[in-house]
Amino acid sequence: GAVVSQHPSRVICKSGTSVKIECRSLDFQATTMFWYRQFPKQSLMLMATSNEGSKATYEQGVEKDKFLINHASLTLSTLTVTSAHPEDSSFYICSAGQITNEQFFGPGTRLTVL
Amino acid sequence: DAKTTQPTSMDCAEGRAANLPCNHSTISGNEYVYWYRQIHSQGPQYIIHGLKNNETNEMASLIITEDRKSSTLILPHATLRDTAVYYCIVRVYNQGGKLIFGQGTELSVKP
Repeated sequence: GAVVSQHPSRVICKSGTSVKIECRSLDFQATTMFWYRQFPKQSLMLMATSNEGSKATYEQGVEKDKFLINHASLTLSTLTVTSAHPEDSSFYICSAGQITNEQFFGPGTRLTVL
Repeated sequence: DAKTTQPTSMDCAEGRAANLPCNHSTISGNEYVYWYRQIHSQGPQYIIHGLKNNETNEMASLIITEDRKSSTLILPHATLRDTAVYYCIVRVYNQGGKLIFGQGTELSVKP
């Protein structure tokens, strides 16, 4: 199956700093990528839809100025958590849509804000 | 997208078949049933999807009732590595469509 990678897999940062997470589709081109957040013992929550070459579409309640998404190419989308605070600590997961309509997920990024 | 209802948790003996039910009584005619699973601290993994016919692949079988209001995911010979949260999702088939996750079923495969 198609492979999606995320980098970094784990990051610890101080409160107030910004953190960038990369999502790459390694063996296919993805016009659409999705970003999810998952808190402990909870399900995945869709944050935004990232389209190559256009602005991301954010789900209700997700601050677009705090979670900056850039989809610069058909294989790369980035999520930047700006001015991170402890409540932003979470497991961030991306996925990429393939032409067969299956979505493939990355392994996730564990963010801890101190 | 239609809402799904799944049991919160299930146990299964290793080597036995695991049958995971999902209710989707408000499913529309153009909505597919998708199954994903998430092993602890990993990204979700696609398992299988179908519209109205039963489907089988190397991982599992999907049985959809004739009225399409419910379905069952079958893992024919569960192993300890199948312990995960299983998500049943229904959505319209369109390229790159988003997935809305419910709470899923936590399957524990026991020796």
